[in-house]
Amino acid sequence: QQQVKQSPQSLIVQKGGISIINCAYENTAFDYFPWYQQFPGKGPALLIAIRPDVSEKKEGRFTISFNKSAKQFSLHIMDSQPGDSATYFCAASSPGAGSYQLTFGKGTKLSVIP
Amino acid sequence: GAVVSQHPSRVICKSGTSVKIECRSLDFQATTMFWYRQFPKQSLMLMATSNEGSKATYEQGVEKDKFLINHASLTLSTLTVTSAHPEDSSFYICSAPAGSSYEQYFGPGTRLTVT
Repeated sequence: QQQVKQSPQSLIVQKGGISIINCAYENTAFDYFPWYQQFPGKGPALLIAIRPDVSEKKEGRFTISFNKSAKQFSLHIMDSQPGDSATYFCAASSPGAGSYQLTFGKGTKLSVIP
Repeated sequence: GAVVSQHPSRVICKSGTSVKIECRSLDFQATTMFWYRQFPKQSLMLMATSNEGSKATYEQGVEKDKFLINHASLTLSTLTVTSAHPEDSSFYICSAPAGSSYEQYFGPGTRLTVT
């Protein structure tokens, strides 16, 4: 049972455009939703994260939108740059329950073309 | 952010030998660390949860006698792949939550190739 569904699997965006990646979850106990960026041959790096008490969080060009009732959250990358080309993973966990175990989506390979 | 290191970054070993991978939290203590494996173009698959001072918890389908985990201190966890076979070739990544923060940080990964 896949608890976090991520789409699209791949995404091609023109430089300067907006990249949007979506995730949906099933477990209502999840209360922490991070996004990770991974370059080939490297470990994932924490990009931005949100908790369900807010509907949006913005850090620079990266924004998470969160819809608790729909159990969905998305990552928006504004003014996408070629350097943003990487694989992005959404994840969810319930650290409030004492477990930091992350459940990952399957990933989205983003390609930003000049 | 907190820093997690792994050693080695790459290792090639012969079939039947054992390989040890170290995961260290450099600027924080971690009572819990996680070990993942990642196949090309796939997501991270949790293998086990490493607990300082107690036995590791393995995910279903992961052989605990093959993937030995030891959480020797609050900053070090090791994964030993015993009697490695070519199908064990993969990218192994560890992570740790930084203290009471919800944030979890990943190591740079170890590429294991078994010939």
